[in-house]
Amino acid sequence: AQRVTQPEKLLSVFKGAPVELKCNYSYSGSPELFWYVQYSRQRLQLLLRHISRESIKGFTADLNKGETSFHLKKPFAQEEDSAMYYCALSGYGGATNKLIFGTGTLLAVQP
Amino acid sequence: DAGVTQSPTHLIKTRGQQVTLRCSPKSGHDTVSWYQQALGQGPQFIFQYYEEEERQRGNFPDRFSGHQFPNYSSELNVNALLLGDSALYLCASSLDGELYNSPLHFGNGTRLTVT
Repeated sequence: AQRVTQPEKLLSVFKGAPVELKCNYSYSGSPELFWYVQYSRQRLQLLLRHISRESIKGFTADLNKGETSFHLKKPFAQEEDSAMYYCALSGYGGATNKLIFGTGTLLAVQP
Repeated sequence: DAGVTQSPTHLIKTRGQQVTLRCSPKSGHDTVSWYQQALGQGPQFIFQYYEEEERQRGNFPDRFSGHQFPNYSSELNVNALLLGDSALYLCASSLDGELYNSPLHFGNGTRLTVT
């Protein structure tokens, strides 16, 4: 079955510390993986996707097919990074876009 | 560009009633997806509409139905409401035909409470 697991409900770090939000997935084909973020009082928005291989707001994520993981990393956390982060999987290529979300991790960056 | 707009923002209904939620996609988008987000959970895919037809459906009963209009806006209807239908309902729009999965643009959601 297709599944996304985010083992941590809450991750609390101090400003300037490294951040790693864990995401593991279960999918038998070639998945498309995404990270979505929801800042306080804002709507859910795309942060990055693995096919883009880009860094957004200092965050990167590498797809590891051997470990079926797509962890989100940032070397130095900022207070403005505090938000809810969702890892998501799409099992369909092309234009169809049915996402399977994890339960989310709340990142709290302390000053 | 107002992005994806949803109405109403909050709704309180009684068990057994029916509800209709509305969504206008981001300008230029032609595909609308609906998600249910229960408290403490991630969004769960309900269904997707494209060219006024339901293209894909998640694991939701037939009590959940939808519609897409020629202007790409969409409605989500839920019949015979249950307490467990209480959730935040998110609408997301995207553009079909892009080379890669078109990123979803989400609305702010409609908070449905069933009493």
